[in-house]
Amino acid sequence: DGGITQSPKYLFRKEGQNVTLSCEQNLNHDAMYWYRQDPGQGLRLIYYSQIVNDFQKGDIAEGYSVSREKKESFPLTVTSAQKNPTAFYLCASSTDRRSYNEQFFGPGTRLTVL
Amino acid sequence: DQQVKQNSPSLSVQEGRISILNCDYTNSMFDYFLWYKKYPAEGPTFLISISSIKDKNEDGRFTVFLNKSAKHLSLHIVPSQPGDSAVYFCAAVGDYGGSQGNLIFGKGTKLSVKP
Repeated sequence: DGGITQSPKYLFRKEGQNVTLSCEQNLNHDAMYWYRQDPGQGLRLIYYSQIVNDFQKGDIAEGYSVSREKKESFPLTVTSAQKNPTAFYLCASSTDRRSYNEQFFGPGTRLTVL
Repeated sequence: DQQVKQNSPSLSVQEGRISILNCDYTNSMFDYFLWYKKYPAEGPTFLISISSIKDKNEDGRFTVFLNKSAKHLSLHIVPSQPGDSAVYFCAAVGDYGGSQGNLIFGKGTKLSVKP
C-alpha cells in the first residue's frame, strides 16, 4: 500500500525541549511539505522540499528545521525557539512542485507542549 | 493578509439537500484550485480541483464552479449525505515569486449534514 506515514500520532514534550516528527512516503514523490494547523485556522506551510538535499522555508519556518537526506523521508524538528509549538502537524507529498498537482497528506501528529 | 478566504466557518444542511461551500481569493495569479476534505485528527484528502481555464468541474456528487472575474469558487455537494460531514478546505496554487506550486489554504468550513 502506497502512502504517507507520520509518527507518532500524539506527542508530548516539555517546554524547552527539541522534538522531531517523522514523515515517510513510499509514493516515489519528489516534493514533500510540512504544514501546521491550529484550531479554526487553515493549513500554514512550514517547510517544503523539491528534491533530496534541498528544502525551502515556507510562511512560518521560524523555530523549525528540516532535512531531506532521502527521497522517502522528510523529518521536521520543532526547536525550543518555536514560541507556540502546540499544534497539529501535517506532512504531505506530491509528484513534483509544478502547478496542477494534488498533494497527498499523512494522518498528522498532534504535538502538545506541557 | 489572507489570500484565500472561506468566510463561513460552519454550514448545516439536511441530508439529501444541496451543500454549497464558498471560497474567495484575492490574488489574480492563482490559476488552479483544489478542495480538500478533512475529518478530525486525520490528514486532508483531495476531493476535486479546477483549472482557471474552466468554469466548472464535476465528479459524481461534487461540482466545483469558478468565477474568475469575481475571484470566487464554490463546491456543490448534491445530494448531501451524513458521511460528508467534515471540514472542507479550499486551496489555491499560483505561480508567483518563489512560491510556485505551493498551496495556499483557506481556514476551512465545517459542514454538518443532518439525517
